[in-house]
Amino acid sequence: DAKTTQPNSMESNEEEPVHLPCNHSTISGTDYIHWYRQLPSQGPEYVIHGLTSNVNNRMASLAIAEDRKSSTLILHRATLRDAAVYYCILLRLANAGGTSYGKLTFGQGTILTVHP
Amino acid sequence: DVKVTQSSRYLVKRTGEKVFLECVQDMDHENMFWYRQDPGLGLRLIYFSYDVKMKEKGDIPEGYSVSREKKERFSLILESASTNQTSMYLCASRPLRRFLLSPLHFGNGTRLTVT
Repeated sequence: DAKTTQPNSMESNEEEPVHLPCNHSTISGTDYIHWYRQLPSQGPEYVIHGLTSNVNNRMASLAIAEDRKSSTLILHRATLRDAAVYYCILLRLANAGGTSYGKLTFGQGTILTVHP
Repeated sequence: DVKVTQSSRYLVKRTGEKVFLECVQDMDHENMFWYRQDPGLGLRLIYFSYDVKMKEKGDIPEGYSVSREKKERFSLILESASTNQTSMYLCASRPLRRFLLSPLHFGNGTRLTVT
């Protein structure tokens, strides 16, 4: 399985930017980098994904290193609602029953605490 | 918005009971997944299905089975519940088309306690 390494926890103050790092040194050329987050008492929700280039959406930005062995999720202005567990995951192409599918393997994630 | 609904938020069952966890999605997704989430172990894939009546084992299928009779519904079955199956169970769905780009949509989970 494709493995990622994230810090166990990080803290931030409200309205400050947050940079959540992720190492994925064994990434292969076809692996997509996905980020999900899980708010308390909810299922995980998709945040952003990328392959090689940096990506932006309404929730966050994803900065991918040139060698793709690491990436950083950027929350531009943290709010209290951003307090969650953030998962960095490699989506790897797999086969089962003759059908291809994208396998996501969730690690431990980073617990983000946001202080008022 | 995609909605993935899990039938129960909390469930308490006795050891040896047969347990059904139900999941329904409303976006005509081909792929559906069952995960369990435990402290210190993260999310682990139990089973998934890429179409009606199709199923594939995930990483930890032992003690579980699944049923996919209709596209919108994916059931997880514990044939004989055991205490080590006490966990949070999460269902997810995703379209088959462009699966490398399409996000997983999760339900809010069923917390199962087996006593």
